[in-house]
Amino acid sequence: GAGVSQSPRYKVAKRGQDVALRCDPISGHVSLFWYQQALGQGPEFLTYFQNEAQLDKSGLPSDRFFAERPEGSVSTLKIQRTQQEDSAVYLCASSLYGSNTGELFFGEGSRLTVL
Amino acid sequence: GENVEQHPSTLSVQEGDSAVIKCTYSDSASNYFPWYKQELGKGPQLIIDIRSNVGEKKDQRIAVTLNKTAKHFSLHITETQPEDSAVYFCAASKNSGYALNFGKGTSLLVTP
Repeated sequence: GAGVSQSPRYKVAKRGQDVALRCDPISGHVSLFWYQQALGQGPEFLTYFQNEAQLDKSGLPSDRFFAERPEGSVSTLKIQRTQQEDSAVYLCASSLYGSNTGELFFGEGSRLTVL
Repeated sequence: GENVEQHPSTLSVQEGDSAVIKCTYSDSASNYFPWYKQELGKGPQLIIDIRSNVGEKKDQRIAVTLNKTAKHFSLHITETQPEDSAVYFCAASKNSGYALNFGKGTSLLVTP
């Protein structure tokens, strides 16, 4: 595709439900990132993949958050037992290169609302 | 970890005026400083970036300056247009390209 594609764009979950958010990066991009953006705030780093390897998951807020990129392209961010504080926009970004430099191309995000 | 402070949080200018947004960072090891523009309902889009071996960079109406000693960098937009209205984020990273630490954003409004 022409850009980073995320789905669903909007997700409403009841507290305690599990959710899965999908990211299709730009074809051929080596690096993939997940960020969390709370209302009125800047994006906060969650995790980083280089191809299928998860090189940094230091930003994941709890063990309820899990991300994978099994074939080095599509990635899924899974949130188990959602809580109200998980409500945010989840942004995926990809970059052509595996290290240093490389513009990050962001998707439009998945807005999660936990009731 | 890295802490990025951004000011002002809101900025209103008249069309044709200049706009300046300032950011400070805490980690002296940071070496990559991008600026992103985010329109409502969209993801952030890179508009300009600067690396620590450069003091200033310009691209048409947009310029960024970096003062490593003081650990601050600024975005300058000249001849503002209504379509410049958006939220602007600065960011810093010591491993260029990932683990970006973002400021809280500046909501810029350009009025005709």
